[in-house]
Amino acid sequence: SQTIHQWPATLVQPVGSPLSLECTVEGTSNPNLYWYRQAAGRGLQLLFYSVGIGQISSEVPQNLSASRPQDRQFILSSKKLLLSDSGFYLCAWSPGLANYNEQFFGPGTRLTVL
Amino acid sequence: KQEVTQIPAALSVPEGENLVLNCSFTDSAIYNLQWFRQDPGKGLTSLLLIQSSQREQTSGRLNASLDKSSGRSTLYIAASQPGDSATYLCAGNAGNMLTFGGGTRLMVKP
Repeated sequence: SQTIHQWPATLVQPVGSPLSLECTVEGTSNPNLYWYRQAAGRGLQLLFYSVGIGQISSEVPQNLSASRPQDRQFILSSKKLLLSDSGFYLCAWSPGLANYNEQFFGPGTRLTVL
Repeated sequence: KQEVTQIPAALSVPEGENLVLNCSFTDSAIYNLQWFRQDPGKGLTSLLLIQSSQREQTSGRLNASLDKSSGRSTLYIAASQPGDSATYLCAGNAGNMLTFGGGTRLMVKP
């Protein structure tokens, strides 16, 4: 069976510090991978998605970037965090090769920027 | 641009009641609609997926329907239990992108 992991589970960072959140998927190959953010009062918003290694699409302009160095690894980064980057970050995967497949979510990372 | 709305935003019911959660979307050109459950501080658990060619899906006490022509989906929960208390989210899939509603926060009282 497939599992999706995210770490860290929680993170408190000062404004201006760098960020690296990691997501890995087990039990599948060539998944589509996604980063979402859930912020208070704003609902869930898609940030990035990837259909393969090195292929990243961004949905909204922002202070964040994403990379996919391996097939089942997805990383969310920032060089300098802003207060507005606080939120709950969720990674998700879906079977590749089709865009109508079910998406499965990880446990999330709670990021607080002070 | 797809917009997804969920009504009501919050719902409190006594245990044992049957209930309906509503989801509406503006763009009917969706591949599928997915219902999720989210417990406080946790990730999303997928409950049901309805493909655009389908009208409903069932899993245990849950039944979800989809009417693309009217831009509506409903999640029916039968014989609600306190363990059903959570936030329920619907999301329309327009191809590599889920657009989420704001969610319905459900509390089932014993």
